Amino acid sequence: DVVMTQTPVSLSVSLGNQASISCRSSQSLLHSDGNTYLSWYLQKPGQSPQLLIYLASNRFSGVSNRFSGSGSGTDFTLKISRVEPEDLGVYYCFQHTHLPLTFGSGTKLEIK
Amino acid sequence: QVTLKESGPGILQPSQTLSLTCTFSGFSLSTYGMGVGWIRQPSGKGLEWLANIWWDDDKYYNPSLKNRLTISKDTSNNQAFLKITNVDTADTATYYCARPHFGYFDFWGPGTMVTVSS
Repeated sequence: DVVMTQTPVSLSVSLGNQASISCRSSQSLLHSDGNTYLSWYLQKPGQSPQLLIYLASNRFSGVSNRFSGSGSGTDFTLKISRVEPEDLGVYYCFQHTHLPLTFGSGTKLEIK
Repeated sequence: QVTLKESGPGILQPSQTLSLTCTFSGFSLSTYGMGVGWIRQPSGKGLEWLANIWWDDDKYYNPSLKNRLTISKDTSNNQAFLKITNVDTADTATYYCARPHFGYFDFWGPGTMVTVSS
């Protein structure tokens, strides 16, 4: 199975500052079709996960441009600029290049 | 507008079979490229992908559940189903269904909590 390692486990960020979350996969997520099937989700307290980023760097419809995804191969990053109160929750990366599909263990974002 | 909603028994006993239903709208499982997936989350823990079913009845399972899973669909009624046999307390979790769009899950249901207890 592809292991998705997220760091940090938690981070506390002041409002208006930037947050950065890393996700590393144990195998390259570059598919033979040329796509990199890595997505990012935010799970707000008491809610189901919501899609933020797909194909490593594409923002999902309606997602604020404060969220950006980057990376390739095995190293990926989610950046949140100008953190706002509604950004708090747990962020997960997810790979669907290889079966079984696997999630990272999550990064909890707290607001200072 | 795509919506999904899970339903399940709430509580069941060890060794029983868990049956879950996902009722969705805004898309059809008879349409090329469409699918439904199941993901679960024990309380306070992370997400675990369980299975996907696609418009052409292709099915994919997480082998960690060792053949305990069966995913199916009823295209006419816009429903997908997941059965987990021989449950135990480790299967206690919130179960989500979601739409896999080119593999990533773009829309999720609110989840249904399942408790396995004697």
